[in-house]
Amino acid sequence: GAVVSQHPSRVICKSGTSVKIECRSLDFQATTMFWYRQFPKKSLMLMATSNEGSKATYEQGVEKDKFLINHASLTLSTLTVTSAHPEDSSFYICSAPRQGGYGYTFGSGTRLTVV
Amino acid sequence: QQQVKQSPQSLIVQKGGISIINCAYENTAFDYFPWYQQFPGKGPALLIAIRPDVSEKKEGRFTISFNKSAKQFSLHIMDSQPGDSATYFCAASGNAGNMLTFGGGTRLMVKP
Repeated sequence: GAVVSQHPSRVICKSGTSVKIECRSLDFQATTMFWYRQFPKKSLMLMATSNEGSKATYEQGVEKDKFLINHASLTLSTLTVTSAHPEDSSFYICSAPRQGGYGYTFGSGTRLTVV
Repeated sequence: QQQVKQSPQSLIVQKGGISIINCAYENTAFDYFPWYQQFPGKGPALLIAIRPDVSEKKEGRFTISFNKSAKQFSLHIMDSQPGDSATYFCAASGNAGNMLTFGGGTRLMVKP
């Protein structure tokens, strides 16, 4: 139980285009979703926290207009990288806290390459 | 944002040996301490987690030791296997459902 499905797993896009990453909670309701970014050989850095039905909370230094987060339902949160540039190339991972206690479920990650 | 410090950054262990990874935290409000295993190109997978009310938790070959007064916790992997070669992250959070703060990661290599 408590599965988060993340798509796509890999995406290559051209500079200037936008890319949408989806995270779906398959068997539970995710009222909150955390979005992380991970550079090669580095740790996960929290980008933003999305809450269903309200605006996302962004960490300091994360551009809200570049990384658009939508959490329109209890089972779907999306991250859109707008006007992507090569420096946006990274591994993006979503995570949802499990209901009723501690524990988190992670998506399988999305490798974004901007060329 | 570095509230959880992890060491070593990399570790090489012989097959059958014990792998030990350490983490220290600063925020006394943290009350959940998980360890994650990550393979290249994959999301982190939970290995084992501990709450501050116990000093040790064991699950199979994996053991967490927790020292609340020192604000430190560690992961011990007994009888390390080549398949354990991965990157390991400690993390911490306060209050159920709050964000996780990750340590810097340890790249473990277990030599056959």
